Amino acid sequence: EAQVTQNPRYLITVTGKKLTVTCSQNMNHEYMSWYRQDPGLGLRQIYYSMNVEVTDKGDVPEGYKVSRKEKRNFPLILESPSPNQTSLYFCASSFSGSSSYNEQFFGPGTRLTVL
Amino acid sequence: TQLLEQSPQFLSIQEGENLTVYCNSSSVFSSLQWYRQEPGEGPVLLVTVVTGGEVKKLKRLTFQFGDARKDSSLHITAAQPGDTGLYLCAGLYNNNDMRFGAGTRLTVKP
Repeated sequence: EAQVTQNPRYLITVTGKKLTVTCSQNMNHEYMSWYRQDPGLGLRQIYYSMNVEVTDKGDVPEGYKVSRKEKRNFPLILESPSPNQTSLYFCASSFSGSSSYNEQFFGPGTRLTVL
Repeated sequence: TQLLEQSPQFLSIQEGENLTVYCNSSSVFSSLQWYRQEPGEGPVLLVTVVTGGEVKKLKRLTFQFGDARKDSSLHITAAQPGDTGLYLCAGLYNNNDMRFGAGTRLTVKP
């Protein structure tokens, strides 16, 4: 089944404790991205990757890191989480980033709470 | 500030009613997409519109892209409880910059 998977689905952590949210897609997509979703603000892009070893900042990259060592995986790293990073996080992938017809396939989301 | 403004933010209607939700921007987009998101899940693409003035129909849903490619609307005819969800518009800006609106949360009561 074609899908985007994220782990964990739920995470409660404390300020400053490094964490990684994994994202994997099995559709051989070139483009992957991370979003956070907050009430009243919609989905805001954190980072995106056009292909392996190619990453770029989105709208709200501060406090996050990403890497794209393999085509299928795009982990999101919070080196020192803070309470303002409490949010619902989505990973998404698409065939490429620049086509007007690209459909983004979203993972199920990771709900992160930073205490 | 949101690049894409969606209205209304919340909409609660009875089954069988018609509704329209709007997505507006001051920027021109090369394409615009509508997604629907259900609780506990990620957004799922409904439609992509590319040409100014384009109209697409998906069963009871009608999508329109403004002539100037700065706005879009989604019209639902005879809404059903299964239409309940968060409707998001997303504009492709500068070829690889996808911006989402904050969404319209629709509730259709039986």
